[in-house]
Amino acid sequence: EADIYQTPRYLVIGTGKKITLECSQTMGHDKMYWYQQDPGMELHLIHYSYGVNSTEKGDLSSESTVSRIRTEHFPLTLESARPSHTSQYLCASSESGGQGSSSYEQYFGPGTRLTVT
Amino acid sequence: KNQVEQSPQSLIILEGKNCTLQCNYTVSPFSNLRWYKQDTGRGPVSLTIMTFSENTKSNGRYTATLDADTKQSSLHITASQLSDSASYICVVSDRGSTLGRLYFGRGTQLTVWP
Repeated sequence: EADIYQTPRYLVIGTGKKITLECSQTMGHDKMYWYQQDPGMELHLIHYSYGVNSTEKGDLSSESTVSRIRTEHFPLTLESARPSHTSQYLCASSESGGQGSSSYEQYFGPGTRLTVT
Repeated sequence: KNQVEQSPQSLIILEGKNCTLQCNYTVSPFSNLRWYKQDTGRGPVSLTIMTFSENTKSNGRYTATLDADTKQSSLHITASQLSDSASYICVVSDRGSTLGRLYFGRGTQLTVWP
């Protein structure tokens, strides 16, 4: 079982609130990723990081922001939640070598199910 | 356009039966193809990873095949169990960028009935 954790697992929050989704891994992986997934749809990459102090936007435009101050920690923040942000957010990590490297598995956390009312 | 298409969208089988899930992709240049199992409300868990030179890989009751010429892959599940009920996602990565993009299919939702 992968050592990557996400909290909270479920969150229901009102419009306009600021929220932070936590993601931590204990595997010492340099690369970390955030994906967004709607029911029955494919995962979309919204943020990734090559290492400490490195963050990049993914393919899907997102109003969220991320930070990478420590190797093991990659939190995602929404400054003002909206109903359109309702989705499942999945965090993942891998060793260095590239997201697509066949030598490096990408491990996923259990996800955070966010509902904005 | 790089895409990953999976079929069927959903499948119901009886416990103990076998089934095969399909994946077609147009990702180029190809690096590797992965099959993930995602239980409801959980993150995906890797089942197999295959590179260009591999055409079969097994993981217990799961056997994946890859035909890089036709850009097709299949995942065969043998002697299905109730715990096999999940979404099975085909993921293809390219090697055309430093990051090595991952392209995700929408998954096949498998339900195993007793």
